Amino acid sequence: AQRVTQPEKLLSVFKGAPVELKCNYSYSGSPELFWYVQYSRQRLQLLLRHISRESIKGFTADLNKGETSFHLKKPFAQEEDSAMYYCALGDSNDYKLSFGAGTTVTVRA
Amino acid sequence: GAGVSQSPSNKVTEKGKDVELRCDPISGHTALYWYRQSLGQGLEFLIYFQGNSAPDKSGLPSDRFSAERTGGSVSTLTIQRTQQEDSAVYLCASSWDRGLTEAFFGQGTRLTVV
Repeated sequence: AQRVTQPEKLLSVFKGAPVELKCNYSYSGSPELFWYVQYSRQRLQLLLRHISRESIKGFTADLNKGETSFHLKKPFAQEEDSAMYYCALGDSNDYKLSFGAGTTVTVRA
Repeated sequence: GAGVSQSPSNKVTEKGKDVELRCDPISGHTALYWYRQSLGQGLEFLIYFQGNSAPDKSGLPSDRFSAERTGGSVSTLTIQRTQQEDSAVYLCASSWDRGLTEAFFGQGTRLTVV
């Protein structure tokens, strides 16, 4: 079964400080990992996916299969990064897409 | 429109009544997902469709919940005999292909059971 764990419900950082959101997964298939973000009063939307190996809005995430982790990082947080972040797990052989419980990030001035 | 559309946006219903929530996915998207977003509970998977079939219904909270999808397009989530604990935001998403492609979300239906 797919399982995604985000251990932190709330994360508060100061502007300019680094931020890291943790995500661990358990899955025996071929995992595809994503980070989704929901800004205030907006729809949930894709932030980045591991297969793209890209940096979006200064965020990066590295898939570590040994530690079964996909932590999201940004070296210098901005106030506009305040949002709810969800880690998600998909499979290239299946349609199921499972999400973690989410982490609410607040960036203080 | 080009995005995922859900209706109604808000629904207030009395305990014990049945409700139907509708989702219009992006045209051509094979996969359709229903999730429930509760305060402090994150995003709870309910069910997904692969075309018109639902291979995994294990996420439905109880037998009061059911969903169907017709014509590989519109989906309806039905909650019978609503309870106060059913109050939440119900999100629908669709994607072009299997789990490695981006899922596009609707704006959600906020259900309040009084």
